[in-house]
Amino acid sequence: SQKIEQNSEALNIQEGKTATLTCNYTNYSPAYLQWYRQDPGRGPVFLLLIRENEKEKRKERLKVTFDTTLKQSLFHITASQPADSATYLCALVNPSLYGNNRLAFGKGNQVVVIP
Amino acid sequence: ETGVTQSPTHLIKTRGQQVTLRCSSQSGHNTVSWYQQALGQGPQFIFQYYREEENGRGNFPPRFSGLQFPNYSSELNVNALELDDSALYLCASSFISGQGKDEQFFGPGTRLTVL
Repeated sequence: SQKIEQNSEALNIQEGKTATLTCNYTNYSPAYLQWYRQDPGRGPVFLLLIRENEKEKRKERLKVTFDTTLKQSLFHITASQPADSATYLCALVNPSLYGNNRLAFGKGNQVVVIP
Repeated sequence: ETGVTQSPTHLIKTRGQQVTLRCSSQSGHNTVSWYQQALGQGPQFIFQYYREEENGRGNFPPRFSGLQFPNYSSELNVNALELDDSALYLCASSFISGQGKDEQFFGPGTRLTVL
């Protein structure tokens, strides 16, 4: 069965440093991968999408890489700020496989930015 | 804010009861998906509705059912509630254009507690 793995341990990082999160998957061939941010008691908020034929995507202080050979995506937050403290979820999508854009989520990885 | 609203915010039910959760999609969106998020887990796909028809279902029993209305609002119904149904229920709206962008906009969720 498909597996989407994110580090279960919270990432504590000093303000100004780069936070790097990992998403590994098995038994899945995503057409694209999305990253979401979730604050406690709130719904996930879309951050970035990267397609299977793209290596890297950037948006402001965020960077995502996607390696379909390693079956891995890395998510980077540069110059991290306390306001970046949240849980970050990776989600895989394959519309042609399922006939819809259902998201298959990992468990999420909590980031705590220390002032 | 994503423009997706859900009601109620919180709900407490007892085992065996039935519950209806409601979602109002973002204007212009033709698709609504429902997800269940247990504590400490990523959201799990329940089902999706596209133009009022079910368009894919996750690994959930038939006592989970739904509806999408012409105005693209939606309901999730759960019959014969079990303790394990306690979770945050999220709806997400999107516009399927066939161009693979498919960013999903999540509501704030309904926290269901089954006693």
